[in-house]
Order: sequence, then C-alpha cells, then structure tokens
Amino acid sequence: KAGVTQTPRYLIKTRGQQVTLSCSPISGHRSVSWYQQTPGQGLQFLFEYFSETQRNKGNFPGRFSGRQFSNSRSEMNVSTLELGDSALYLCASSPGTPGTEQYFGPGTRLTVT
Amino acid sequence: AQTVTQSQPEMSVQEAETVTLSCTYDTSENNYYLFWYKQPPSRQMILVIRQEAYKQQNATENRFSVNFQKAAKSFSLKISDSQLGDTAMYFCAFMMGGATNKLIFGTGTLLAVQP
Repeated sequence: KAGVTQTPRYLIKTRGQQVTLSCSPISGHRSVSWYQQTPGQGLQFLFEYFSETQRNKGNFPGRFSGRQFSNSRSEMNVSTLELGDSALYLCASSPGTPGTEQYFGPGTRLTVT
Repeated sequence: AQTVTQSQPEMSVQEAETVTLSCTYDTSENNYYLFWYKQPPSRQMILVIRQEAYKQQNATENRFSVNFQKAAKSFSLKISDSQLGDTAMYFCAFMMGGATNKLIFGTGTLLAVQP
C-alpha cells in the first residue's frame, strides 16, 4: 500500500496570504488528522476528519480550517498567514477505529515571511 | 485536560546498550491508549509501540518494550541492544478512548546512539 502523501512538501508564503495543504491518506483509511509541529509548541492537534465530518478540533483560531472529500483526501487551509504559522504540518491517517495506529505523512514545511 | 510529560529532553546511549525513556501522563479517564512514536531526522514519524490502558501486560515489539504503571500514570520505553538507526526524537502520546483519534504528545526526547 502507498503511504500517506502530503503536497506540497515545502511552501513559502508572505504574511497575510492564505495557503492550502493537501493530504492523501492510505487507501481504505477514513480518518485524517492534522498536527502542527513547531520547536516552541511541539506537536499540537489541529483537527480530525472522519467520513467527511470534522470529528474533533484543537485549540486553534478560526483561520485554520479543513475539509475532507468523499475519497478521504483532506485539505487544510490557513488564511491571513502570520509569522507564527511557520511550522511543519503533519497529516496522519488511520482506519478510523479509535485507538488504532496513526500513519503519518512526511509533512509540509510552511515558512511565512 | 490530559497532559503528557517527557522530562528528558536529550539522552545518549552507546550502541548495543539499553536505554529507558520516561513518560508520565495525567488523566481522569480509564479508557485510553498510549503510544511511543519515533521521528528520525528529516524522516517520517512512525509508531514504535502501542499500549491499551485496560491491558495490564506490557507491550513489546522486538527490541522495544514498555513499563506501563497505570496507577502511577507512567509509561516508559525501554530500547534494548540500541542501534545507530534508533537515533531519533521519541514522542510519548496519549489518546482517549471513544470516537476520536486525537493524539496528545509530550515534548519529546532526542535520543542519540553513539558508535
């Protein structure tokens, strides 16, 4: 099986712009979660989508949003970018049953200048 | 709110030796899962080991084993016969039971295996 893929791998944006990141889960997986990884805050949960519905949400401002399509692919969007949004954004997929292993993608490195 | 604490920011071990990474967590729930994930330099995060809270038996995966002390809310990872490829950041993570796959991560321990 192909692993979790994330596109793009690297992205440079300017403050105030918006960005869309994409995640393709492992075939058959219905749950996709997003995490932000920074040196200062560590790994923080953004949100989880399961069967096109947001199942859980972390403590991030409304500028961070996501969605999931019928083929389980997911996108996350960050609007009005701030310097502090610079981070590695990780996507993880799983079959959906709670407690099961999460398979992580390679991440998208976002730099906001 | 659940929290996960890893008190060792960095550790070093000689090749072939054994090392133990510490993790404590805080929760009032009884149904939960614990994980150790490994993130090698510039590579993807992968699962090392998984523990279900209702199982008393400690999980083991080849050279990796855990010491799960539920009452003490402690979940340490033991790596035996350390190899150079074990060099990575190790994250302890907590997941509540129920309809969510949300992982709460500790701050990580950077393990360096020395030749």
